[in-house]
Amino acid sequence: AQSVAQPEDQVNVAEGNPLTVKCTYSVSGNPYLFWYVQYPNRGLQFLLKYITGDNLVKGSYGFEAEFNKSQTSFHLKKPSALVSDSALYFCAVRDPYNQGGKLIFGQGTELSVKP
Amino acid sequence: DAGVTQSPTHLIKTRGQQVTLRCSPKSGHDTVSWYQQALGQGPQFIFQYYEEEERQRGNFPDRFSGHQFPNYSSELNVNALLLGDSALYLCASSPMGQLRNEQFFGPGTRLTVL
Repeated sequence: AQSVAQPEDQVNVAEGNPLTVKCTYSVSGNPYLFWYVQYPNRGLQFLLKYITGDNLVKGSYGFEAEFNKSQTSFHLKKPSALVSDSALYFCAVRDPYNQGGKLIFGQGTELSVKP
Repeated sequence: DAGVTQSPTHLIKTRGQQVTLRCSPKSGHDTVSWYQQALGQGPQFIFQYYEEEERQRGNFPDRFSGHQFPNYSSELNVNALLLGDSALYLCASSPMGQLRNEQFFGPGTRLTVL
């Protein structure tokens, strides 16, 4: 069965330091991978996606993610964290060959950036 | 562009009642998906509508049903509400067939069942 795991419930980072939010997936074939961010009492905002091509993808607000097929991972990164990056981050996967448009989400990682 | 809109913002119901949530997709999008996000969890796929038909369904009981209108807007209906149905319900829209595209999410409807 397709699944997504975010092994850390919470990540704490000091402002200005690099951040990493981890994501691993289990999907047969070649998945489409997405990162979304959710601020309190808000819907999900799209950050970036990996479909094919370069393993390092760049997205909104200075975020980037690295696709690693051998490790089935898609970690979200940012070189220098901002306090305003504090939010809930979700990794999601789509298996276009078996699951159509359905997005499967991880349980989320709460990012806290302290001044 | 108004993006994806949902109504109402908040809703309080009691067990056994029925509820209808509404969604208008982003301009140019013809496919609507519904997700349930329980507190502290990631969104769970309920179903997807395209051309006024349910195209794909997640692991939710028949108490959850939906509808899509000719203008692509959609409704989510939940019958015989249970306490466990309390959650944030998210609507997402996308162009059909373009699976490489991200889904755009609305702000959600917070449903509380007492």
